[in-house]
Amino acid sequence: QVQLVQSGAEVKKPGASVKVSCKASGYSFSSFYIHWVRHVPGQGLEWLGIIHPTGGSTTYAQKFQDRVTMTRDTSTSTVYMQLRSLTSEDTGVYYCARIRPDYSNSFDPWGQGTLVTVSS
Amino acid sequence: DIQMTQSPSTLSASVGDRVTITCRASQSIYTWLAWYQQKPGKAPKLLIYKASSLEGGVPSRFSASGSGTEFTLTISSLQPDDFATYYCQQYDGYPLTFGGGTKVEIK
Repeated sequence: QVQLVQSGAEVKKPGASVKVSCKASGYSFSSFYIHWVRHVPGQGLEWLGIIHPTGGSTTYAQKFQDRVTMTRDTSTSTVYMQLRSLTSEDTGVYYCARIRPDYSNSFDPWGQGTLVTVSS
Repeated sequence: DIQMTQSPSTLSASVGDRVTITCRASQSIYTWLAWYQQKPGKAPKLLIYKASSLEGGVPSRFSASGSGTEFTLTISSLQPDDFATYYCQQYDGYPLTFGGGTKVEIK
């Protein structure tokens, strides 16, 4: 079945960077864009950006433009999201999510989420 | 950015109740709207795409409608498994944005 499996929880100090992985299986990796969304406590869901697995093209939310980088490794069907210059406000659960088969930007399925805790 | 406003933010209801959640967009998004259900500690689950299309495997008690700036999600007869938080999301343009969520609680 179509599945996205993310890397484990991370604890980082303010100013550090975090890199979260998302391994895809059960479908043609090169055919579907993958998005990254985060859930920060008290702030709901927030979109970070999108990557196309084939060419690696990306579009980032302007809010994160200077701090986020999304990459992919086609040999392992894995996408990565790196967020730099972390602050306590970046504490939350980070999700990868694939677009639907109709190629619209609604998300199904989602990864299980990766908890990122930023604390000194 | 397109702002998505959901109401109410919290809803108390009983099993068997008919429940309606509203989502308003700050500008027309045509029918480029999705609805998700999220339970504590779990990833969101897609319920509805393109404003009114039911995702495969989602129970038929869920329905949705709307276009332009006004959208609704309806649960015709609330079941114990439906107590969760619901989010709308627009995908008419970047940045993709979500509503603030509606928590459906047991009355």
